[in-house]
Order: sequence, then C-alpha cells, then structure tokens
Amino acid sequence: AAGVIQSPRHLIKEKRETATLKCYPIPRHDTVYWYQQGPGQDPQFLISFYEKMQSDKGSIPDRFSAQQFSDYHSELNMSSLELGDSALYFCASSLGELVLNTEAFFGQGTRLTVV
Amino acid sequence: GNSVTQMEGPVTLSEEAFLTINCTYTATGYPSLFWYVQYPGEGLQLLLKATKADDKGSNKGFEATYRKETTSFHLEKGSVQVSDSAVYFCALTQGDDKIIFGKGTRLHILP
Repeated sequence: AAGVIQSPRHLIKEKRETATLKCYPIPRHDTVYWYQQGPGQDPQFLISFYEKMQSDKGSIPDRFSAQQFSDYHSELNMSSLELGDSALYFCASSLGELVLNTEAFFGQGTRLTVV
Repeated sequence: GNSVTQMEGPVTLSEEAFLTINCTYTATGYPSLFWYVQYPGEGLQLLLKATKADDKGSNKGFEATYRKETTSFHLEKGSVQVSDSAVYFCALTQGDDKIIFGKGTRLHILP
C-alpha cells in the first residue's frame, strides 16, 4: 500500500540558507501534518492543513511557512536556517481531521542538517 | 494544557522478558490515546490505540488499557524480542488536529 512520501530524505544546508521539504500524502488523504523532532526529543507539532487550508498551528517559527496544494501535497519552506533547525521533520497524513478520530500515518521523515 | 508523561529510558531487557513502559496523561475530558513506535532510521508507526475509557488496544503482542481513573495507558508485552528494540512514544489527541507526544522511551532488547 502507498505510504506517506517525503523528499528529500536527507538535506544539508548552510546557515541562513533556505530549504524546502515536500510531503506527498497517502492517496485520498486530505489532511497533512508537519512535526519537528530534535535529536533525542519527542516530535513537536508545527502545522497542519485540511483541504488545502491551514487547520492548526503549533510551535512553527515565523521563518517557516507551509502550504497544501490542490493535489494535497504539502511543502514546508524554511528560510534563514539556523543550526538549531537541524532535526528530523516528519509529515503525516490522514483522511479527515484527527478530531474525527481518524488515524495519522507518518512518513519516514526528512533529516535536515544545518552547518 | 494536555500533556503526556512516560518513563525515561533507556530500558534494557533480555529477550523473552516482560515489558512495561509507563505512560500517564493530563487532559480535560476524554482524549484518544496512542502508542507509536520508531525503529532506527524509520518514521513513526502507530502501534496501538484506544479511544475511550477501559478500551484495550493491542497489536504484535503489545497491549495497553485506557485507565481513566489513573489517567494511564501503560504499554505491556509478555515476551519481548530483539526486533522490538526501538523508541516508543505515548501520545494523545483531543479536540484539535495535533498529536501530543511523550518524550519517548528507548527500548533495548538483548539476545
């Protein structure tokens, strides 16, 4: 079965550069979530989209932006990268929002290293 | 606000030992509770879930029971295997679109 696809799997950027992370949800899934997991940390919620509209927002820095496109894929844009942005970024998708007791499926993550 | 507290790791056990990873939560009302597993180099996989009090989630020999009276959702397995070595996250959702995770517990199973 198709899973959540994230690209790239690994990304190395220098400080102050820009990065774009992509997430392709499971087919028919209309909701996408982004999480950031620092080294040895629990995943922290960044932002979510339902039907191409932002549905919830967590601890996402102002330097980051995200959107969900008409084909339901999502992109996380990160500008003015800082060393502290080095983390594993997970995308998850679901059919419907979590409030409806649906299940979120996670991708394998993009490991971003800022040097 | 809502939160999840789980026992700190690492937890090291021998193969075939009994496993318990404690998880307690703080939430108003009735959250849904989850255990996720993260194998080395992999993403998060849902292991099991329970959506109401006294529900028992189970999968791959793991079990957890939603205990509202103790606000707990402890993960148990009767006989662990080396392949169970991973990081386990207790989590909850309630009323919005975010999953709140515990800090994770790293489990090492020795052959």
